Formats: sequence, C-alpha cells, structure tokens
Amino acid sequence: DAGVIQSPRHEVTEMGQEVTLRCKPISGHDYLFWYRQTMMRGLELLIYFNNNVPIDDSGMPEDRFSAKMPNASFSTLKIQPSEPRDSAVYFCASSPTGGLMNTEAFFGQGTRLTVV
Amino acid sequence: GIQVEQSPPDLILQEGANSTLRCNFSDSVNNLQWFHQNPWGQLINLFYIPSGTKQNGRLSATTVATERYSLLYISSSQTTDSGVYFCAVLPYNNNDMRFGAGTRLTVKP
Repeated sequence: DAGVIQSPRHEVTEMGQEVTLRCKPISGHDYLFWYRQTMMRGLELLIYFNNNVPIDDSGMPEDRFSAKMPNASFSTLKIQPSEPRDSAVYFCASSPTGGLMNTEAFFGQGTRLTVV
Repeated sequence: GIQVEQSPPDLILQEGANSTLRCNFSDSVNNLQWFHQNPWGQLINLFYIPSGTKQNGRLSATTVATERYSLLYISSSQTTDSGVYFCAVLPYNNNDMRFGAGTRLTVKP
C-alpha cells in the first residue's frame, strides 16, 4: 500500500489567500484525521471523520478552517483567508475500522504551510 | 484533559549507546503509540502498545497501563535513530489522540 498521501508537500502563500490541503487515506481505512504541528502547541487534532462523516471538529481553530471528505478516498482541509499564524505542518492520518480505540493511526508525510 | 509528559526532552548519545525514553500520562488510556519523527518530518509508527511489551529489532517498548507510563528502549543506537520520539495516548471513549512534547534524540558518530 502507498500509505497516506498528502499534497502538496510544501505550500507558500500570501496572507489572505485561500489554501487547500489534500489527503488520500489508506484504502479500506474508515477513519481520517487532520492534525496540525507547531512549535508552540505541538501536534494537535483538528478534526476527524468516520465513514466520510465529520465526527469531532472541536479542534478546528476558527471558522476560517473547513474540512470535507466527499468520498472514502479523498479529504480536503481549506483555510480561507489564510493568516501568518496558520503557518505549520499539517498532517493527515488514517486508521482502519474501529478507529484508534482498537488500532493504530498511520500518518502522511505532511504539508508544510508558510503564510507570508 | 489528559496530560502526556515525556522525558528527557533532549538526549545526545554516541553511536552504539543505549537509551530509555519515558512517557507518563495522567489518566487511563485505551491506546498508546510511539512514533519517530525523522529529520525530514515524517511520522513513523514504531509501536502500538496499550499494554505489555513488544520488540522490533533494536527497539522495544513496555507499557504499564496500571501505573500510567510507557518506556521506549533503543539499543546500540545509530545516527539514523536521530529525530524526535513522540508518545501519543488515546483517552477512553474518543478518537482524540493526545501527543506528548517529544524527546529529541541526537546520535553522534
């Protein structure tokens, strides 16, 4: 299996622009997670989906952030408008049926976002 | 919420040395994973270990769930072991995995 695939690997954008991060989970995995990593806050969960349905978005920092999962093989995390404080590494992860209570999470390589 | 503390925060070793990394957590957990974040930023699964002991080559891990801690052992360290090691725990009844701040390991040749 190719693992969790994220694109782009790096993104540099100007403040105020819309940014879209993409994720393809491991085939057959029912759970998909979006994490953000910063120096100040470490790794934190933003939102997760089960069977394409958002279950918990309490970690999404502001209304400027939105996430969708239109099908089992694709998810997006959108920031509109972007701000310099959104600069971070964004990770997508997936896990099989049963979620993390029964099995482990597998992470993509991350997208390093820089907002200037 | 649950607190996850890792120690030491930084560790510098000579190649060939052994080390023990510790993860303490403040409440009962349903799941515990150890990850290695390599210098390129990739998070690599090391162990899924909610309890007991596992070994994989030079690495092994032990979780004592009743005492709320886990240990990661690295033997005969190599320069490629350098990076940050994260412990992540899952509180009961949710999928919000909480990460510790990590242990930054540097292995010198």
